[in-house]
Amino acid sequence: QITLKESGPTLVKPTQTLTLTCTFSGFSLSTSGVGVGWIRQPPGKALEWLALIYWDDDKRYSPSLKSRLTITKDTSKNQVVLTMTNMDPVDTATYYCAHRGCSGGSCYSGYWGQGTLVTVSS
Amino acid sequence: QSVLTQPPSVSAAPGQKVTISCSGSTSNIGKNYVSWYQQLPGTAPKLLIYDNNKRPSGIPDRFSGSKSGTSATLGITGLQTGDEADYYCGTWDNSLSAGVFGTGTKVTVL
Repeated sequence: QITLKESGPTLVKPTQTLTLTCTFSGFSLSTSGVGVGWIRQPPGKALEWLALIYWDDDKRYSPSLKSRLTITKDTSKNQVVLTMTNMDPVDTATYYCAHRGCSGGSCYSGYWGQGTLVTVSS
Repeated sequence: QSVLTQPPSVSAAPGQKVTISCSGSTSNIGKNYVSWYQQLPGTAPKLLIYDNNKRPSGIPDRFSGSKSGTSATLGITGLQTGDEADYYCGTWDNSLSAGVFGTGTKVTVL
């Protein structure tokens, strides 16, 4: 059974750096074709893709946020960490992590965490 | 900010059918598989369709997906009150080298 859970601060101040941790179970991030991604959703708005890290440490970022994002993995701890610098109130959102499985050209996110709401306010 | 375009809302009576379109481009839908997600109020997105038209275990066959060119479509037949939710399409964009989602569609059961 695959599960993921996001953790981190619920409130950050403008200009601060946000660090979110995704702790997962039921799969290994050292298995070929496996990745973990981050997606966010501002209140009442659409999903926005942020970043993705694969089993081989290949990393991909949203072009519009690339300068502010860093994604890393700790395979031994079954964790993926996302950092976002220079937080602004517009970054207020629910942040989700999701498992991504790839095989023969097919990739999809079948398992998502419950999400964590991060509010940016002074 | 969304790269994929969906209608803001669709509605129909219980038992009827709705379709949701997802319009993209040659760099995303045109070259990659499409997934569809259902998001019930206050919950995380749930995978409904992957690889354009495949359903994960446990998803009823009332939900179907298709793709043609740079557009994809989600169909829901036998509409139920429990289907009231937001629906999102998603895929990979080769030009952006990033994932992309649709603008989202709210389904209302009249």
